[in-house]
Amino acid sequence: GAGVSQSPSNKVTEKGKDVELRCDPISGHTALYWYRQSLGQGLEFLIYFQGNSAPDKSGLPSDRFSAERTGGSVSTLTIQRTQQEDSAVYLCASSPRTGLSYEQYFGPGTRLTVT
Amino acid sequence: SQQGEEDPQALSIQEGENATMNCSYKTSINNLQWYRQNSGRGLVHLILIRSNEREKHSGRLRVTLDTSKKSSSLLITASRAADTASYFCASYNQGGKLIFGQGTELSVKP
Repeated sequence: GAGVSQSPSNKVTEKGKDVELRCDPISGHTALYWYRQSLGQGLEFLIYFQGNSAPDKSGLPSDRFSAERTGGSVSTLTIQRTQQEDSAVYLCASSPRTGLSYEQYFGPGTRLTVT
Repeated sequence: SQQGEEDPQALSIQEGENATMNCSYKTSINNLQWYRQNSGRGLVHLILIRSNEREKHSGRLRVTLDTSKKSSSLLITASRAADTASYFCASYNQGGKLIFGQGTELSVKP
């Protein structure tokens, strides 16, 4: 079946502009995660959604970052007033549910470059 | 803070040799997972070892877990150039978030 997809694959934007990154999880997966990975670094957790529960936003680095998940499926990560330090690869992952026993399935990522 | 820390940060070996990567974690775990990442894009799940397991095999991969030392190792036997990638360990923290280590960058030279 189809895996996790993300769009766009690459995004170049000017400092100060807003950007929206999209994630389509695997059908039927109730948990969705967003991570950020700077060049040569590990993954930094941003936010996760589980079903209809309130999302865990504890990893969002500032109030310029927000995310929503519509209809329990597609998710959009929005970065307002982008800064150069926001340049990174943004990875989305889904899993059948949250909990401590599930692997995550990753999308190919969106490479964001803020000039 | 990172739940997992890997070492070495980078490893370069010849094709056919074995590659061993280590991971240490801080809190108690239900399971520990290893992921592979090519070219800084999406990660692929390799193997999951549960806290009550000590060793697990999958093809050329062998994972060990020592909960008393809070450490795990990933062994890739008979490495190939195609194994060149970054490898991450990850475990869930008590809040249910999967936390990744910084990764080991493996280079296998033909």
